[in-house]
Amino acid sequence: AQTVTQSQPEMSVQEAETVTLSCTYDTSESDYYLFWYKQPPSRQMILVIRQEAYKQQNATENRFSVNFQKAAKSFSLKISDSQLGDAAMYFCAYAANAGKSTFGDGTTLTVKP
Amino acid sequence: GAVVSQHPSWVICKSGTSVKIECRSLDFQATTMFWYRQFPKQSLMLMATSNEGSKATYEQGVEKDKFLINHASLTLSTLTVTSAHPEDSSFYICSARAGLPHGYTFGSGTRLTVV
Repeated sequence: AQTVTQSQPEMSVQEAETVTLSCTYDTSESDYYLFWYKQPPSRQMILVIRQEAYKQQNATENRFSVNFQKAAKSFSLKISDSQLGDAAMYFCAYAANAGKSTFGDGTTLTVKP
Repeated sequence: GAVVSQHPSWVICKSGTSVKIECRSLDFQATTMFWYRQFPKQSLMLMATSNEGSKATYEQGVEKDKFLINHASLTLSTLTVTSAHPEDSSFYICSARAGLPHGYTFGSGTRLTVV
């Protein structure tokens, strides 16, 4: 069974600084997708960034980038120039093909002004 | 694009009654939708996969008779919590795969309180 592990229940960062959230996963599949979602207090799940496993290049979306290490099954999220609005719970997720997603336990990010 | 609408946003019901939650894909067709349950400050736990025109696939430990799922069209899936009890109180979220570049899109969730 696929598993997703987020080893950091809580993280904090100073506004304008950079923070990295960790995620590891386990799978025997070769074709899959990895995601980072943000869940603010409203509890709406928001897609932050997506990585296709077959792509070697790390995905980036403005201030958000990932470090995808396929062999190590690691998928970390880097948030640069952190803003107060980045404070939320972040979930790492895995999905094979078009199937169901498996989520990590989440990391609560606090941004200090 | 790729919007999923979930209703109601919150609902309070009495023990023993049934509650229906709707999940609609507004601008795309979703042959598959997913239903999750989330407790406060915890992760999303998949309850079932809803397939248009066929029976839902339930995860181990989820009571099929309590959580009825119907996916009658390509844009609508419903979750009915039957004979609700206080322990069913939770946050329920639906999701659909909208294809690239959107990936999986989530509804805004339903907070169910059973009193």
